[in-house]
Amino acid sequence: DQQVKQNSPSLSVQEGRISILNCDYTNSMFDYFLWYKKYPAEGPTFLISISSIKDKNEDGRFTVFLNKSAKHLSLHIVPSQPGDSAVYFCAAPNTGNQFYFGTGTSLTVIP
Amino acid sequence: DGGITQSPKYLFRKEGQNVTLSCEQNLNHDAMYWYRQDPGQGLRLIYYSQIVNDFQKGDIAEGYSVSREKKESFPLTVTSAQKNPTAFYLCASKVDRSTGTQYFGPGTRLTVL
Repeated sequence: DQQVKQNSPSLSVQEGRISILNCDYTNSMFDYFLWYKKYPAEGPTFLISISSIKDKNEDGRFTVFLNKSAKHLSLHIVPSQPGDSAVYFCAAPNTGNQFYFGTGTSLTVIP
Repeated sequence: DGGITQSPKYLFRKEGQNVTLSCEQNLNHDAMYWYRQDPGQGLRLIYYSQIVNDFQKGDIAEGYSVSREKKESFPLTVTSAQKNPTAFYLCASKVDRSTGTQYFGPGTRLTVL
């Protein structure tokens, strides 16, 4: 039962352009969402989060948008840089403090 | 520096042997977690602990065991009952039950020969 889904396993973007990574969830009780970035053979690093009381949160080149009615969130990276090439996971905790992760989207930024 | 450490980075074991993966944090976090990552898959929760001397099974707890005798330590034992133990194991911690971010260690790559 995948409560958090990332339907695009991979994405390629030209350097300087916008990267848009998508995430869908099924549990309407989720009220906090996170994005993590992960390089091979390393632990994920926290990137940005959003509370369900907001529909947008911005941090430098990274912006997360939340559409509660569609149970959808997206991560925008503008402008994309080669160092952004990594796997991106979205995640959400339930009320019991258990986190659910998507399967990840591998982003490749082409120089 | 505060953080989460996992050791060793790479671990090799023979089939049928139990092996314990270390996870230590000096962030004074209450909650700790163990995940497993396999190629092409997301992070799957093995066990988590909200406080000392208490832990809960995650989605794939079979063949694993944990202990939480100290706040800063949450070791994971991969037993011989785990059918496919070769994977990348990640430990994480979080401040407490309130809304917040989970922080990850660098991971341990376990290979069973």
